Amino acid sequence: DAGITQSPRHKVTETGTPVTLRCHQTENHRYMYWYRQDPGHGLRLIHYSYGVKDTDKGEVSDGYSVSRSKTEDFLLTLESATSSQTSVYFCAISEGLAVTYEQYFGPGTRLTVT
Amino acid sequence: GNSVTQMEGPVTLSEEAFLTINCTYTATGYPSLFWYVQYPGEGLQLLLKATKADDKGSNKGFEATYRKETTSFHLEKGSVQVSDSAVYFCALRSGGSEKLVFGKGTKLTVNP
Repeated sequence: DAGITQSPRHKVTETGTPVTLRCHQTENHRYMYWYRQDPGHGLRLIHYSYGVKDTDKGEVSDGYSVSRSKTEDFLLTLESATSSQTSVYFCAISEGLAVTYEQYFGPGTRLTVT
Repeated sequence: GNSVTQMEGPVTLSEEAFLTINCTYTATGYPSLFWYVQYPGEGLQLLLKATKADDKGSNKGFEATYRKETTSFHLEKGSVQVSDSAVYFCALRSGGSEKLVFGKGTKLTVNP
């Protein structure tokens, strides 16, 4: 199994509070991703990173920011959580962009915003 | 833009039944195609992949063939087991793109 951990695994927070989710990898892969999973939508890309301090937006980036100060860590921050951000968040990693490279997924963080 | 359409479930089968989950795609260029599986309470695991037309991906008794002429990548298994109960996602990635585009997922339940 790819060495990807996510923390916390579960979190309940109140509307308007900031929340940070952490993804940690031990594979030294260049690319890291944050997805959210919602019923009826599958997985949707929030942000991704292609190197330390190099990040870009995905299709559902509004309300989220990311940071990557080390190869192994990719942080997702909800500056002011809203109920619409209640979801399961998955981190993924990959070695590169060639089509043969797979994305490996972490175990997920279940976030509930009340 | 790129998109994936897969049959929506849920799908309920008896053990040893034949499984087909349909997946069709729209993409520019020549994407790679993937099937991921998500077991209850877990993240997604790559089940199989195909990177060019007519390739067949296979793993754990599951198969899918990349059909460019019908833009399809249907997942099949000849004899399902209770342990195959999970959610299955079809996905694509275009060459040079960082993004995986997912279908909405199909929940499979296999009864003994």
